[in-house]
Order: sequence, then structure tokens, then C-alpha cells
Amino acid sequence: AQTVTQSQPEMSVQEAETVTLSCTYDTSESDYYLFWYKQPPSRQMILVIRQEAYKQQNATENRFSVNFQKAAKSFSLKISDSQLGDAAMYFCAYRSGGGGADGLTFGKGTHLIIQP
Amino acid sequence: SAVISQKPSRDICQRGTSLTIQCQVDSQVTMMFWYRQQPGQSLTLIATANQGSEATYESGFVIDKFPISRPNLTFSTLTVSNMSPEDSSIYLCSVLWTSGVYEQYFGPGTRLTVT
Repeated sequence: AQTVTQSQPEMSVQEAETVTLSCTYDTSESDYYLFWYKQPPSRQMILVIRQEAYKQQNATENRFSVNFQKAAKSFSLKISDSQLGDAAMYFCAYRSGGGGADGLTFGKGTHLIIQP
Repeated sequence: SAVISQKPSRDICQRGTSLTIQCQVDSQVTMMFWYRQQPGQSLTLIATANQGSEATYESGFVIDKFPISRPNLTFSTLTVSNMSPEDSSIYLCSVLWTSGVYEQYFGPGTRLTVT
């Protein structure tokens, strides 16, 4: 079974600065997807960014980018120019490849605090 | 992406009763999923629901406790049966969006408190 580990229960960053959230995973599969989801206090899960394992290029979405190290099974999220609205729980998630029939396996989450 | 709604948004229920949570999607989707998020915890997959077939449950979850219906491509229900305080959680449905890349999008969740 796959596991996802987020070793930082909480992170704090000053507004406008950069923060990196860590995620490692364990799998024996070669075809899979990795995701970062954001859950603000409203509890709505919001997809932030996605990375396909077969792609070497790191995914980017505006201020959000990932550092995907496949051999090390590491998938960190970098948030640049942090904004107050970025404050939330961030969950790293894994999904097996194929037709998307499998659900997501989540890490325990990192609580991100943005200090004004 | 799809717009997903859940009803109720929250409820307080008595021990031993059952609650049915509804999940409605504004587009037809093949696969829907139900997750549980216990207080202060991460999300755990309960089951996968395909239209026209029985739901597939993850280890630790059984149909008698969490019966699921999937009558069409835009709707699903999850029932939490014979509730106990340990069932107090947020229950979220998600859908597999297959336009381009296969991604899961989530509903707003149902916060259940069992007293």
C-alpha cells in the first residue's frame, strides 16, 4: 500500500516571503500522480497543483510550484510571495496511475500560518 | 471543473440513528468517491461509487455501516448507520473529472456531530 508522509505539522511564514512544504511518499508503482490540496477553514478542499510521475518537469501554477524528486520519492510545494489567503491546511496526496479509478491517499497535512 | 454540492452542510444526530448525506454534481461523472475526515485528521477514503455497480469499500469500512447509492451519473448518497460519537467527522464527496487530466474535485463537506 502507498503511504504519504508530511513531517511538518505546522509552518509559519511572513507575508510576501517564500515557504516550502515537504512531502514524501512510498510506492512500488511506476505510474502515479501526486497532488497538493488546500483546505481553508471553510473546509472546502481545493486542488492546488498536480504532478504526473512520468513527467520530469516540475509543475507550476502561478505562485505555486513543486520540486518533484522521483528517485527520492519527494514532492515538496513551494509558495512564493505568500499571501494572507494562503493560510490553510495543505495536504499532499497520491493516486495510482491508470484510469483514475483509485481514490486518493493523503498525508496528515501541514497547517500553514501567514504572518502579516 | 464540476460544481459539487452536499446536503446537509452540517447536522447533529443522536446516537443510534442514521443520516443520509447527498452529493449532487452539475455534470455527468463516472466515478464518485466518499471520504471521511475525523476531527483534526486527514482524509480517508471510505468507498468508490460507480453508476450502475455496487460501491467498492476500503479496508475498515463496511456496507452495513456506510451504505452508498449511485442512481445516476450526477448523484450519490452516503448513509451513516447506527451512529456513535466516533462517527463524528466531516464527510466529503468527490468526483473524478476526466476532461483532459484525471483530477478529483471535492464537495464542501458535511460536518456530522453525534451526541
